[in-house]
Amino acid sequence: DTAVSQTPKYLVTQMGNDKSIKCEQNLGHDTMYWYKQDSKKFLKIMFSYNNKELIINETVPNRFSPKSPDKAHLNLHINSLELGDSAVYFCASSGGDEQFFGPGTRLTVL
Amino acid sequence: GENVEQHPSTLSVQEGDSAVIKCTYSDSASNYFPWYKQELGKRPQLIIDIRSNVGEKKDQRIAVTLNKTAKHFSLHITETQPEDSAVYFCAASIRSRSRLAFGKGNQVVVIP
Repeated sequence: DTAVSQTPKYLVTQMGNDKSIKCEQNLGHDTMYWYKQDSKKFLKIMFSYNNKELIINETVPNRFSPKSPDKAHLNLHINSLELGDSAVYFCASSGGDEQFFGPGTRLTVL
Repeated sequence: GENVEQHPSTLSVQEGDSAVIKCTYSDSASNYFPWYKQELGKRPQLIIDIRSNVGEKKDQRIAVTLNKTAKHFSLHITETQPEDSAVYFCAASIRSRSRLAFGKGNQVVVIP
């Protein structure tokens, strides 16, 4: 199936831990994004990569580090997790204006 | 930067009635306006979009209208059904930055 996929779907971890979320798209898109959706449902953009290059970094703490090994993958690594990091993280990709979202990763920090 | 506002934040309608959600945007250079539907626990999915050279677009029970002069666009859902209950996000393109500016979302509840 052509799609944007993310792993894991759920992530429960303790404060202070380091965790990673992976994203892959097989749509042939050049641009990928990470969004954070909090409990109020706001979709807040965090990062955007175009063809493996960072083009958007929206004042996200430097504990969050995106990595794009190739244009089909954009991973998100989070160091020293805090309670406020609990949210649903969505990956998305686009080849033009329309953005296609992944299924989301629900991160719970205890 | 682009600022997108959505109203109302919550909308309850009786099944079969129409629902209208309005969005305003600030950047006159925006030229692409999508609407996303997010069901509970699911990903946002595009349901309809419109470009700045078009004033209205319809797809079955869903329509979007755009007023470029006033910088607002609206989503219209007719003959609402329970499966229309979801959060709806409007967005506007920010051409210079290859991104979309999203509104804060509207919770639509269709009462059977």
